[in-house]
Amino acid sequence: SQQGEEDPQALSIQEGENATMNCSYKTSINNLQWYRQNSGRGLVHLILIRSNEREKHSGRLRVTLDTSKKSSSLLITASRAADTASYFCATSTVGGNKLVFGAGTILRVKS
Amino acid sequence: EAGVVQSPRYKIIEKKQPVAFWCNPISGHNTLYWYRQNLGQGPELLIRYENEEAVDDSQLPKDRFSAERLKGVDSTLKIQPAELGDSAVYLCASSPRAYEQYFGPGTRLTVT
Repeated sequence: SQQGEEDPQALSIQEGENATMNCSYKTSINNLQWYRQNSGRGLVHLILIRSNEREKHSGRLRVTLDTSKKSSSLLITASRAADTASYFCATSTVGGNKLVFGAGTILRVKS
Repeated sequence: EAGVVQSPRYKIIEKKQPVAFWCNPISGHNTLYWYRQNLGQGPELLIRYENEEAVDDSQLPKDRFSAERLKGVDSTLKIQPAELGDSAVYLCASSPRAYEQYFGPGTRLTVT
């Protein structure tokens, strides 16, 4: 069963614009991770935010976490055509060995 | 560093036939995962190994699916017999510790 729900299901933007994807989850977590999946490929880890953190940055990525609302957002700034992919949030409970993924957001960046 | 290797990349079989997928994790990674990803969905965990021990197989349909990780390195996932609903991408991932997982490219299975 899927833990999280991503919103929107699909997003289409122009190169250079920012893209924001949201993730909601149901149970208490230890950390939340974001992954990217290019068409026909495996998933690539992007960023991890722990439950006691509220915001984290990595290059053009910014992730926020609101544990009171059980939600997270991923912001990609100055998007590029190469950012076109599916983005998944995944939650991990205490122990950290099991990830539960959401259904993903399909991002298309038009050049 | 070499990534997680999976084979085959694609497999087409008729229903009721057996099929097997192979995974070679990143060297030194003790934890190995098998996921199934249906079209338009996120991956769902089938089984997790810590070395050669299956520590979480609660989501593995044990009537037709089996897995092994001999010597705590390579792993094989088998389906026998395959059903139409088994069509999906089967992903293998490995991890050196808790939290971050490294995924292979997956095997796309089509059951006709």
